[in-house]
Amino acid sequence: GAGVSQSPRYKVAKRGQDVALRCDPISGHVSLFWYQQALGQGPEFLTYFQNEAQLDKSGLPSDRFFAERPEGSVSTLKIQRTQQEDSAVYLCASSLAGGKNGYTFGSGTRLTVV
Amino acid sequence: AQRVTQPEKLLSVFKGAPVELKCNYSYSGSPELFWYVQYSRQRLQLLLRHISRESIKGFTADLNKGETSFHLKKPFAQEEDSAMYYCALSGRDSNYQLIWGAGTKLIIKP
Repeated sequence: GAGVSQSPRYKVAKRGQDVALRCDPISGHVSLFWYQQALGQGPEFLTYFQNEAQLDKSGLPSDRFFAERPEGSVSTLKIQRTQQEDSAVYLCASSLAGGKNGYTFGSGTRLTVV
Repeated sequence: AQRVTQPEKLLSVFKGAPVELKCNYSYSGSPELFWYVQYSRQRLQLLLRHISRESIKGFTADLNKGETSFHLKKPFAQEEDSAMYYCALSGRDSNYQLIWGAGTKLIIKP
């Protein structure tokens, strides 16, 4: 596609509900990243994929967070039993290879847990 | 520890005035530094990288290893420069992860 596409744009979840956030990277982009951005803060790294391989998930805040990219293109970030502190914008970014030359970001999904 | 600090949450200047957005970093090796910008209702986008030594939209940034800074500068601000600006760092030992500052909101007054 022309850019990185994320859906939904907005999600309101009740505490305890499971959510799934989708990222469609630019076609051919090998690297895919998920970031979490809390209000008034810069993005915080969550996880990184190279094709279908999840090479780094050190930023996932708890075992309630899970990400996958089974076919090396679309990725899903799943959050189980959402908590209020999960409220944030979740950003997806992709790049041709690694991130050293900069990423292309999606518009993000704003998750609000009530 | 790797860290990026943007000391100003908000910077407000008049149109035509010079702009300097500060960025300081902490990194033990040789970092690569970036500036990203987010205009209202738009997504984050790369503005410039220090390795490119480029000028984009009139903005420049010089990596000062002695002061561990990567300040973003523009001699004459324009109203369309109003946006959130983020400084980010990548280390040579991490070819993918960026460490981000908290961002500076730049407002250009007419």
